[in-house]
Amino acid sequence: DQQVKQNSPSLSVQEGRISILNCDYTNSMFDYFLWYKKYPAEGPTFLISISSIKDKNEDGRFTVFLNKSAKHLSLHIVPSQPGDSAVYFCAATVTGAGSYQLTFGKGTKLSVIP
Amino acid sequence: DAGVIQSPRHEVTEMGQEVTLRCKPISGHNSLFWYRQTMMRGLELLIYFNNNVPIDDSGMPEDRFSAKMPNASFSTLKIQPSEPRDSAVYFCASRQGAQPQHFGDGTRLSIL
Repeated sequence: DQQVKQNSPSLSVQEGRISILNCDYTNSMFDYFLWYKKYPAEGPTFLISISSIKDKNEDGRFTVFLNKSAKHLSLHIVPSQPGDSAVYFCAATVTGAGSYQLTFGKGTKLSVIP
Repeated sequence: DAGVIQSPRHEVTEMGQEVTLRCKPISGHNSLFWYRQTMMRGLELLIYFNNNVPIDDSGMPEDRFSAKMPNASFSTLKIQPSEPRDSAVYFCASRQGAQPQHFGDGTRLSIL
């Protein structure tokens, strides 16, 4: 039973355009969400996060939006660059004393075409 | 700053052999995680250590898997005996407090 789902295995976007990666979750206890980026033969790298008390968090070209009622979050990359080509993982957790478990989606492979 | 260091990067061995994967977390980080990544199941948490103590090993698939953290700067994941279905990429991650986890570059394990 997948609690975090990334329904698009892959996405292709033209350089300079917006990339939108989507993530859905089923566990209403999740209150903190993260996006990781992974290049081939490397480990995932933390990109951006959002707490459930917010609906938007922005860091440079990257913005994460959270819709709690829909249990949906998205990562926007504007403008997309060829170096953004990677696999993006959505992850969720329940914060609080002793929390540590990250539940990951299966990832979306983004290809930015020059 | 050195990141999480894993060794070996690649391991190919025959079934039945013992496999030991190694991890050096980032200095000062007090939590360490072992993950396994497969096409079918994605990234799965195997075991979590806090201050060198195993807190949750419920993700360890079988008794053939064991993990240790003898000190704050070293951890091992051992598979004995190994089986072809253990083939996967194994990641180690560490973090300080509630900060995001930092991952190593993984060990690609192939059991023939």
